[in-house]
Amino acid sequence: QSVLTQPPSVSAAPGQMVTISCSGSSSNIGINYVSWYQQLPGTAPKLLMYENNKRPSGIPDRFSGSKSGTSATLGITGLQTGDEADYYCGTWDSSLSVTVFGGGTQLTVL
Amino acid sequence: EVHLLESGGGLVQPGGSLRLSCTASGFTFTNSAMNWVRQAPGKGLEWVSTLNDRGYNTSYADSVKGRFSVSSDNSKNTLFLQMNSLRADDTAVYYCARGHTVGITLWFDPWGLGTLVTVSS
Repeated sequence: QSVLTQPPSVSAAPGQMVTISCSGSSSNIGINYVSWYQQLPGTAPKLLMYENNKRPSGIPDRFSGSKSGTSATLGITGLQTGDEADYYCGTWDSSLSVTVFGGGTQLTVL
Repeated sequence: EVHLLESGGGLVQPGGSLRLSCTASGFTFTNSAMNWVRQAPGKGLEWVSTLNDRGYNTSYADSVKGRFSVSSDNSKNTLFLQMNSLRADDTAVYYCARGHTVGITLWFDPWGLGTLVTVSS
């Protein structure tokens, strides 16, 4: 059971938009920054978003991040088949004193 | 270019030991918090351990505390994870990742390719 809760899967058609939620608590998302990672099939995770809504160099602006209260959201617009991957949120939990990740969300582009 | 490469994974019997290595290039190793994150087959990501940017503060997940030890050889830009008393539930791909600190939160970039550890008799 992950400390951060993500939907197991989401799907949408090419060109459409999708959002992936990450729900936490006042000891993690509520007071700390959230990062997001993309893991394409058979590869290592890759940083997609940090400090809630900042994109690393090379990440297209089709990807966006936001945070409100104890939840965070990753948004992807203009979906492409190459976006099919597992997406993970992560943050620090101040009560547990550990970095925690969500269980991951599998994105299918139909 | 910043690059991380893990090695040392393999098949080990329950109760055995293994030492993983992560060689870094393209950045100042001693200025970074270096981390191990693992992923069991078909499962999500689990943070394992952090060695802080001074190299003397370590932290561990409860699941590995007392059995795993993280260290580094700064002259070789190499991070290690000594894993003792291995159990079947330690079976996973182990990733090395550079940590970036903002406040008390770490975010990880880049990640290595990973090395597979299989604990089985």
